[in-house]
Amino acid sequence: EVQLVESGGGLVKPGGSLRLSCAASGFTFSSYSMNWVRQAPGKGLEWVSSISSSSSYIYYADSVKGRFTISRDNAKNSLYLQMNSLRAEDTAVYYCARDGYQLPDYWGQGTLVTVSS
Amino acid sequence: DIQMTQSPSSLSASVGDRVTITCRASQGIRNDLGWYQQKPGKAPKRLIYAASSLQSGVPSRFSGSGSGTEFTLTISSLQPEDFATYYCLQHNRKLTFGGGTKVEIK
Repeated sequence: EVQLVESGGGLVKPGGSLRLSCAASGFTFSSYSMNWVRQAPGKGLEWVSSISSSSSYIYYADSVKGRFTISRDNAKNSLYLQMNSLRAEDTAVYYCARDGYQLPDYWGQGTLVTVSS
Repeated sequence: DIQMTQSPSSLSASVGDRVTITCRASQGIRNDLGWYQQKPGKAPKRLIYAASSLQSGVPSRFSGSGSGTEFTLTISSLQPEDFATYYCLQHNRKLTFGGGTKVEIK
């Protein structure tokens, strides 16, 4: 069974940093591209970043480019999102999601990031 | 960047109704589109990929169609468990979600 478990969310002040993790199991992690998607409270879904299976290709939404860094450790079956210079508008539930047929298929349960003073 | 315009933003329907949701892409995206269902407090669930391919385990009352810039998700006979919010997602260039359609009980 595919499982994705996010962690690392919490309350952080504007301008602060946070690192999210996503632990994967139930599939060959090193064979799949992965994504981060977020959802602000009461709002729609917003794609944040994607990384290919070997980390050769990395993409970011314009709203986070230069502030967020996606990475992965295939030996640890883990996906990460380093978030710097956080803003109030980054407040959201952050989901990690596996790619299947080039778009997310399995999703984690999400971790809440709140940026507030 | 590719923009996805989804309509309507909400609709009210009864059990047994046929429901249609549309997504329009700002430029051609071939069939690089999926549809998702999300219930409150839950992660999204993929229903359709490649515009018209049904995800394994998803009931056959869900169907997708379209190519290029116009796409449609159809629920042939709405069931109580289908009341949720639906999103389209293009993956032709990066990823972009539509704004969502909330399907409510009439």
